[in-house]
Amino acid sequence: GENVEQHPSTLSVQEGDSAVIKCTYSDSASNYFPWYKQELGKRPQLIIDIRSNVGEKKDQRIAVTLNKTAKHFSLHITETQPEDSAVYFCAASSTGTASKLTFGTGTRLQVTL
Amino acid sequence: NAGVTQTPKFRILKIGQSMTLQCTQDMNHNYMYWYRQDPGMGLKLIYYSVGAGITDKGEVPNGYNVSRSTTEDFPLRLELAAPSQTSVYFCASSPLVGTWVVPPDTQYFGPGTRLTVL
Repeated sequence: GENVEQHPSTLSVQEGDSAVIKCTYSDSASNYFPWYKQELGKRPQLIIDIRSNVGEKKDQRIAVTLNKTAKHFSLHITETQPEDSAVYFCAASSTGTASKLTFGTGTRLQVTL
Repeated sequence: NAGVTQTPKFRILKIGQSMTLQCTQDMNHNYMYWYRQDPGMGLKLIYYSVGAGITDKGEVPNGYNVSRSTTEDFPLRLELAAPSQTSVYFCASSPLVGTWVVPPDTQYFGPGTRLTVL
């Protein structure tokens, strides 16, 4: 089955700096890669996703890049703000099989003033 | 739309007790999922369903059962609660057919049920 590894487990940045979180996956059949943000005690919320026919996707301060050859994808947050502080999870799935997501273990991002 | 709703929000069980975690979605989604999230960890898939009457095991199905008699509801049953089942349980749903706004694979999560087994 799919295995997703996520690094780093914790990340502290100063407000205004950029943050990068990296994930690798094992199943070459995976073609859908969402990123979720989870605040303390809340449900995971989708913030951005990318599919294997695209190498990069951007939404305001958030961007995701995908390298299918190397089987890794990354989340980039620019101009970080205190409200970006949360746990971020990457995930991978193969569409056409009910999109069963395999999650990474999460990155706790702390944005300090 | 209320989206995905779960009940109860919190529950404490004694070892060996049983309970059902309820999940309902009003978005007419075909796919539904149950995940568990242990402290400091990612989510692991317990069971999923591609439509009414069809369910299948995920990564960690032992100790759980599910049923899907309607499109809207996907209850998760714990028969003999064990301390290892202490976790936060999330239900999610996603559409079979996407729209311009919502791709088919997007999963929407419920608020979760925090379960403690003592």
